[in-house]
Amino acid sequence: EAGVAQSPRYKIIEKRQSVAFWCNPISGHATLYWYQQILGQGPKLLIQFQNNGVVDDSQLPKDRFSAERLKGVDSTLKIQPAKLEDSAVYLCASSRPRTLGEKLFFGSGTQLSVL
Amino acid sequence: GESVGLHLPTLSVQEGDNSIINCAYSNSASDYFIWYKQESGKGPQFIIDIRSNMDKRQGQRVTVLLNKTVKHLSLQIAATQPGDSAVYFCAEKTGANSKLTFGKGITLSVRP
Repeated sequence: EAGVAQSPRYKIIEKRQSVAFWCNPISGHATLYWYQQILGQGPKLLIQFQNNGVVDDSQLPKDRFSAERLKGVDSTLKIQPAKLEDSAVYLCASSRPRTLGEKLFFGSGTQLSVL
Repeated sequence: GESVGLHLPTLSVQEGDNSIINCAYSNSASDYFIWYKQESGKGPQFIIDIRSNMDKRQGQRVTVLLNKTVKHLSLQIAATQPGDSAVYFCAEKTGANSKLTFGKGITLSVRP
């Protein structure tokens, strides 16, 4: 089966600019996750969707980050305006139904550099 | 702070030897644990998982051991190969609707 697809692969922007990331999960996976991975650290959950509803966004900096999954399939994560500390890899993951938070399959991520 | 941590930041092993990567967790209520492998420039790749009602689970060349008494998780890799070189993360989950929380990761380096 095809894996989790993410784009772009790399993005370089200046601080205060905006940026958007796209994710297409594995077909049939109801749950979609966005994680932020700062260099040298483990991934940190930003937001979790079940179909097109938000399950957990407690660690999403809502003043600048937003995410949507309108039709329960693809998702976009946006940062506006970006800060230097947002430089990280943004990973999208998905999991099968009835395995909320378990056995996540990750994409290759988008590496964001904020200058 | 994070409830999942690893004892050592790096581990170097000889090709062909067995590797043991250790992980400590602090939440005794955690009921699901998982190991991921992450190669440079790639996303984390699922290795093996285990629920708290089990002590041991085996996969292909890998074994996960769970010691709930001391809140310790380990990943054993048999006959380590150069392709096993990567960063390994343990992660835990507490309860049906909780999120997966990752530790900081340990680098495994395989010497030829």
